[in-house]
Amino acid sequence: QVQLKESGPGLVQASETLSLTCTVSGFSLTSYHVSWVRQPPGKGLEWMGRIRSGGSTDYNSALKSRLSISRDTSKSQVLLKMNSLQTEDTAIYYCTLFDYWGQGVMVTVSS
Amino acid sequence: DIQMTQSPSSLPASLGDRVTITCRASQDIGNYLRWFQQKPGKSPRLMIYGATNLAAGVPSRFSGSRSGSDYSLTISSLESEDMADYYCLQSKESPFTFGAGTKLELK
Repeated sequence: QVQLKESGPGLVQASETLSLTCTVSGFSLTSYHVSWVRQPPGKGLEWMGRIRSGGSTDYNSALKSRLSISRDTSKSQVLLKMNSLQTEDTAIYYCTLFDYWGQGVMVTVSS
Repeated sequence: DIQMTQSPSSLPASLGDRVTITCRASQDIGNYLRWFQQKPGKSPRLMIYGATNLAAGVPSRFSGSRSGSDYSLTISSLESEDMADYYCLQSKESPFTFGAGTKLELK
């Protein structure tokens, strides 16, 4: 069955770079677009960006200068990197097909 | 970027009520509209796709509709398990955008 699972550090220092991994199973990354969505504590959902089945990417306008999404098809992994982190980047980060969601990973940015 | 204006932000309702949540798109998005339900501590759950199509396993009391640039999620008879946050998402063009959310709570 389709599964997505996020992993990464729970705590990151301000100004550093966040690296998250989404490991998928039950489908091929070359057949589906995978998005990253985040949710600050107590707030709404924000679409961050996606990697399309063909490998091209789209980004949130507000994040595109700091954000990079890539993939390793041999490992069935989608990778998120975001630099220059601030405390406002504290959030739960999800990878998703929209029909299916990972459990999310909480990332706290410490000043 | 396309803006999705969602209303109301909070909706107190009673069990058995018919409730409607609306999202208005700032540009044409066709039927590229999804609705999600999110309960505390849980990942979002797809409820409606293509503006009007019920996702797998979603109870038939949920429905989606469109009138011009206004998209609505309706619950015909509210049950206790429906108390949650609801979000719309446009995926017509990148960057995709969510509505700000609606908190559905018991009156």
